[in-house]
Amino acid sequence: NAGVTQTPKFRVLKTGQSMTLLCAQDMNHEYMYWYRQDPGMGLRLIHYSVGEGTTAKGEVPDGYNVSRLKKQNFLLGLESAAPSQTSVYFCASSPSGQTNTIYFGEGSWLTVV
Amino acid sequence: GNSVTQMEGPVTLSEEAFLTINCTYTATGYPSLFWYVQYPGEGLQLLLKATKADDKGSNKGFEATYRKETTSFHLEKGSVQVSDSAVYFCALSENRGSTLGRLYFGRGTQLTVWP
Repeated sequence: NAGVTQTPKFRVLKTGQSMTLLCAQDMNHEYMYWYRQDPGMGLRLIHYSVGEGTTAKGEVPDGYNVSRLKKQNFLLGLESAAPSQTSVYFCASSPSGQTNTIYFGEGSWLTVV
Repeated sequence: GNSVTQMEGPVTLSEEAFLTINCTYTATGYPSLFWYVQYPGEGLQLLLKATKADDKGSNKGFEATYRKETTSFHLEKGSVQVSDSAVYFCALSENRGSTLGRLYFGRGTQLTVWP
């Protein structure tokens, strides 16, 4: 019963460094999402995917890239990290567009110094 | 556009007190409404939902009623426990077109319950 798994859980980056967050789901879900959570802001959608090989921009896509080469994985990349990208990142998945069946990962804490 | 406004926290209560967390929304269509809970160090979990006007969602003693006339979805619990301490998020999704699956979140309300 792994559900949605995010790696790494914690990471500290220097400004300008690059990194990739990996999200994996074992529920055969079509839709996957990346959100960021900032204090007092709730969750904001970065990018999402409605199926293998597809990606789309969400509310705050700038500075991030994503790929969905395999159905079970959704990667979030930071090419040149900035302190403004210090946040908690949540991956989520759902079997379709029905948001009442969306499952979240446990979060990845990223600090950019 | 779509947006969710929920009461600012933090909210601090004694055990067995009555809880209300207000949530109002703006939507261009006919949204579904949700309450999510986030316990310390964990991801978000769906607490309850309502998909149409006058529906009442309920779970673990929490309730919320979808009020279209007041565009509200207030969360209530009659008697809170220490274990209810968490951050609560109100959210909506529009069930149409390209916005399928997209959730719009409020800012979250931190609830702390003291024994």
